[in-house]
Amino acid sequence: DGGITQSPKYLFRKEGQNVTLSCEQNLNHDAMYWYRQDPGQGLRLIYYSQIVNDFQKGDIAEGYSVSREKKESFPLTVTSAQKNPTAFYLCASSLPRTGVNYGYTFGSGTRLTVV
Amino acid sequence: QKEVEQNSGPLSVPEGAIASLNCTYSDRGSQSFFWYRQYSGKSPELIMFIYSNGDKEDGRFTAQLNKASQYVSLLIRDSQPSDSATYLCAVVRSSQFYFGTGTSLTVIP
Repeated sequence: DGGITQSPKYLFRKEGQNVTLSCEQNLNHDAMYWYRQDPGQGLRLIYYSQIVNDFQKGDIAEGYSVSREKKESFPLTVTSAQKNPTAFYLCASSLPRTGVNYGYTFGSGTRLTVV
Repeated sequence: QKEVEQNSGPLSVPEGAIASLNCTYSDRGSQSFFWYRQYSGKSPELIMFIYSNGDKEDGRFTAQLNKASQYVSLLIRDSQPSDSATYLCAVVRSSQFYFGTGTSLTVIP
């Protein structure tokens, strides 16, 4: 079945530690996105990529980094510079690049907690 | 002003009733409109999209778009307890998605 796989489902980060969230899709979608969801704040865009080897910052990119070396993969690293990383992280993809006609397909999410 | 505004609720309706969810957007250049359903602890799933003024029906769901008034709504007929979730409105403008904060719906058996 085609879809987006996020792993792990739950992740615990210690202070000062970098962690990487995985996102893989087999939908042959061009565009991929990372969102953060906090209670009462809706979805906030962290980074997005419309093509391999290219990505752009979203609204809240500080403290995060991404790579897009393969069409299928768009991992997100939460660095120690992100002071309040506890949140629900959602990866999404869309086709065509604009996502206008088909909307997003979301992964199942990763819940990150600072311990 | 936020790009997309939704009443956070909670909205409660009895089983079998019509649930009406509303969303307003700020930019007249917005092109496409989506409704997502999100169960607690889960990721959003697309349930409806609409591009043109008027109504679009899909089963128990009807999306309504009024570009002149800049609002989009979602009607759920014959509401079921399984419809209890948060409903996110999303608007696309210049290839960017803008999400509302969601409306929490509870359907009471």
